[in-house]
Amino acid sequence: DQQVKQNSPSLSVQEGRISILNCDYTNSMFDYFLWYKKYPAEGPTFLISISSIKDKNEDGRFTVFLNKSAKHLSLHIVPSQPGDSAVYFCAASQKYSGAGSYQLTFGKGTKLSVIP
Amino acid sequence: NAGVMQNPRHLVRRRGQEARLRCSPMKGHSHVYWYRQLPEEGLKFMVYLQKENIIDESGMPKERFSAEFPKEGPSILRIQQVVRGDSAAYFCASSPRTDSSYEQYFGPGTRLTVT
Repeated sequence: DQQVKQNSPSLSVQEGRISILNCDYTNSMFDYFLWYKKYPAEGPTFLISISSIKDKNEDGRFTVFLNKSAKHLSLHIVPSQPGDSAVYFCAASQKYSGAGSYQLTFGKGTKLSVIP
Repeated sequence: NAGVMQNPRHLVRRRGQEARLRCSPMKGHSHVYWYRQLPEEGLKFMVYLQKENIIDESGMPKERFSAEFPKEGPSILRIQQVVRGDSAAYFCASSPRTDSSYEQYFGPGTRLTVT
C-alpha cells in the first residue's frame, strides 16, 4: 500500500526550461511535505518543504505547490540546470503518528535528466 | 557544522554474521531516524530514537534488528544473523525537532552487501 506515489520514474528536460515533478498521496492525515534530491551513492539532500496550511512555497529556483483537495503536490524547477540531474524524492509526514515520530513516508523517486 | 556522519560507508557480511551500522547526528540534533532503501525503491522508515530512548520502532522487522542511541556516542543499528534480503542502503537522518522545523537531514548511507 503505497501512500506516496511518484508515477513518473524518469523525466528529461532541456537546460533552461522548466522541470515539473509530480507526487500524489493517499493519506489525508499527512500535513507536511518535503522534496529531497539524491545523487548516486549519496544521502538525500533536503530541498524544500510545505505545510498543509499553505498552497505554495518558493525558494530560489524551486517552488512547491500543494493541492490538498486533489492530494497532489508538484515541484517546479526554473530554470533547469545540468547540475539538477538527480533522483527527486517526494516525502510526507504526519504530525501525530504513533508517538509523534514525524517519520517520513517516501515515494519511489523520479530521475530527472537535464540536457545541456 | 559537520553533517550527519555514517560509517562504514560499505559493509560486506556473509550470511549469518552480524552487521553494525553507526550514525552520528548533526551537532545540536538529538533526534535520529533510520531508513532502509532497497534497489529501485524509496526510503522506508525503520526506527526513531532520542538519546537513550526508542520512540517509534514501527518500521523495524520484529526479529534480528535492533537500534540504540546511547547517552554518549553514535546511534547503532544492529542486524544479527544477516540474510541476503538485508542487502540494501541504510540511511540515518537527524533533526533538531523544534516546533518550526520538521526537516530531517540525511547522512551518506551505509551500503550493506550480504554474500
